[in-house]
Amino acid sequence: DTAVSQTPKYLVTQMGNDKSIKCEQNLGHDTMYWYKQDSKKFLKIMFSYNNKELIINETVPNRFSPKSPDKAHLNLHINSLELGDSAVYFCASSQDAGATQYFGPGTRLLVL
Amino acid sequence: GENVEQHPSTLSVQEGDSAVIKCTYSDSASNYFPWYKQELGKRPQLIIDIRSNVGEKKDQRIAVTLNKTAKHFSLHITETQPEDSAVYFCAALYSSASKIIFGSGTRLSIRP
Repeated sequence: DTAVSQTPKYLVTQMGNDKSIKCEQNLGHDTMYWYKQDSKKFLKIMFSYNNKELIINETVPNRFSPKSPDKAHLNLHINSLELGDSAVYFCASSQDAGATQYFGPGTRLLVL
Repeated sequence: GENVEQHPSTLSVQEGDSAVIKCTYSDSASNYFPWYKQELGKRPQLIIDIRSNVGEKKDQRIAVTLNKTAKHFSLHITETQPEDSAVYFCAALYSSASKIIFGSGTRLSIRP
């Protein structure tokens, strides 16, 4: 019954590697998001998709590439991982861009 | 620019006392203001929200007030309990950009 789910929950990897995080929502929402939460707990939006179309693309290194195969899924691929990429990445979804957002459980990424 | 300021960054109150967290926003067109609670190691969860057509909303021990003229809104928690200990985030919807901007968070601790 999980509304917004993410995999994996934890990800430990070496600098320079490429990794992906997956997100799925079963709420029937049209809009999905990726947020980064750093060690100081700041929640910063990275990307937003509405019905598979990119609508928000913040100032994020192009090593980060989102992909939405359908409106229930939003994945995040990260190339050439750096130490500064270590953070918790949250996926979220909402009925539309101005509606309440529901967050996934987060993926804790540690780059060594 | 798009900005949400949140104060204080940390707050410690005696169990049973009230806690108040304040936020200001910069876009006068903002019309939706959610508040999220994030317990340690968990996802942010919506606890209350308010839209710009009302000045106050209450849900049991939690209330939010909105002053559109001054562009600030506040969260009030009365009769605080140990389970209220968490990080609280205010947020504002920037309609022109269709995105929600989060405040920097307030770490609330309830002293027994």
